[in-house]
Amino acid sequence: TQLLEQSPQFLSIQEGENLTVYCNSSSVFSSLQWYRQEPGEGPVLLVTVVTGGEVKKLKRLTFQFGDARKDSSLHITAAQPGDTGLYLCAGENSGYALNFGKGTSLLVTP
Amino acid sequence: NAGVTQTPKFQVLKTGQSMTLQCAQDMNHEYMSWYRQDPGMGLRLIHYSVGAGITDQGEVPNGYNVSRSTTEDFPLRLLSAAPSQTSVYFCASSYSGQGDSPLHFGNGTRLTVT
Repeated sequence: TQLLEQSPQFLSIQEGENLTVYCNSSSVFSSLQWYRQEPGEGPVLLVTVVTGGEVKKLKRLTFQFGDARKDSSLHITAAQPGDTGLYLCAGENSGYALNFGKGTSLLVTP
Repeated sequence: NAGVTQTPKFQVLKTGQSMTLQCAQDMNHEYMSWYRQDPGMGLRLIHYSVGAGITDQGEVPNGYNVSRSTTEDFPLRLLSAAPSQTSVYFCASSYSGQGDSPLHFGNGTRLTVT
């Protein structure tokens, strides 16, 4: 199992602040996905990054895949309470087992 | 379009009891999988299937059985429940099971084993 380390584990910020969440591994991934999970629900895909150095934007969320395809980051600009949730990264190395990190729990207070 | 449907939503079992967690998808996805989510442990893959009649083990398969007789359904069986199996179970499906094919998750089954 290829280990994906997410940091920080918990993050509590006020509305309007910026934040960055990290997903790191010693393994190379052919692709990496980011999911958001809200309480009582299953994770929902935010984005998939495939190419080393790739940057994708989803409104106020910016995702980056490291040049060596071993790490990724998620940056949220001007966080809002609706951004509250558990953010999970998941990497595919080969085969059919998508490995998940333990997640970053984000709380955005008004 | 219902997506991935899991039943039941909640279940309490006594140690040694058996039960089946149901999962159905209506997206004609070939790939289906079961994960368990525990505090501090993230999502861990139990079993997966790349098509009807084909199943394989994930990271934590012990104590669980699966079968895939149809494309739509992928039930997870606990033969003799143990307290260590207390968890939230998620079923997920995707078109191919590869990293460029996103997983669609159900809303989970919260299982407590006493």
